[in-house]
Amino acid sequence: QKEVEQNSGPLSVPEGAIASLNCTYSDRGSQSFFWYRQYSGKSPELIMFIYSNGDKEDGRFTAQLNKASQYVSLLIRDSQPSDSATYLCAVMNRDDKIIFGKGTRLHILP
Amino acid sequence: EPEVTQTPSHQVTQMGQEVILRCVPISNHLYFYWYRQILGQKVEFLVSFYNNEISEKSEIFDDQFSVERPDGSNFTLKIRSTKLEDSAMYFCASSGAGTENTEAFFGQGTRLTVV
Repeated sequence: QKEVEQNSGPLSVPEGAIASLNCTYSDRGSQSFFWYRQYSGKSPELIMFIYSNGDKEDGRFTAQLNKASQYVSLLIRDSQPSDSATYLCAVMNRDDKIIFGKGTRLHILP
Repeated sequence: EPEVTQTPSHQVTQMGQEVILRCVPISNHLYFYWYRQILGQKVEFLVSFYNNEISEKSEIFDDQFSVERPDGSNFTLKIRSTKLEDSAMYFCASSGAGTENTEAFFGQGTRLTVV
């Protein structure tokens, strides 16, 4: 079983709509969860992190964590063309190792 | 704003040569990481380093790889005898400590090309 799974996409969302990105993880002992944005040829940029069950909002971004279902998601409201990127879900497992999913390519349609 | 810096930004080396990739983590961070990303593929964990020793390493991190923190600021990745398949972007990252200070921040990466 892969440790962190994401749909590779591409996910196409009209400008102004809500983009929903999903991620599941296998290590039930994981405590820390991150979303990174990566533009082509650039390094991953941290955009959200969440440690507790529930929702965490930061501007247009909302991270959602459900530890019972081992599921973490990222919602992007009012999507902009500049949001087009690959979004990497990352999970810190019980060994303090941060594991990345393969990433979901998001394309915002103008 | 504090940031992780990596040098060089691009390194070209001949197969079989040794390379050293350098990183300066954020100054008050305690955990240091190296990741690599082969073009078009996922970000892969190589190694984590804490308290002056390796805390975790992946299958990729074989005997050809080593890490060092030679002084209080630098964190290096050495590849002893490079292979063509080592060509990738190498990212250094650092994070704080504690149960709620674990987010990792990445450097801009070193693009390693082995020819």
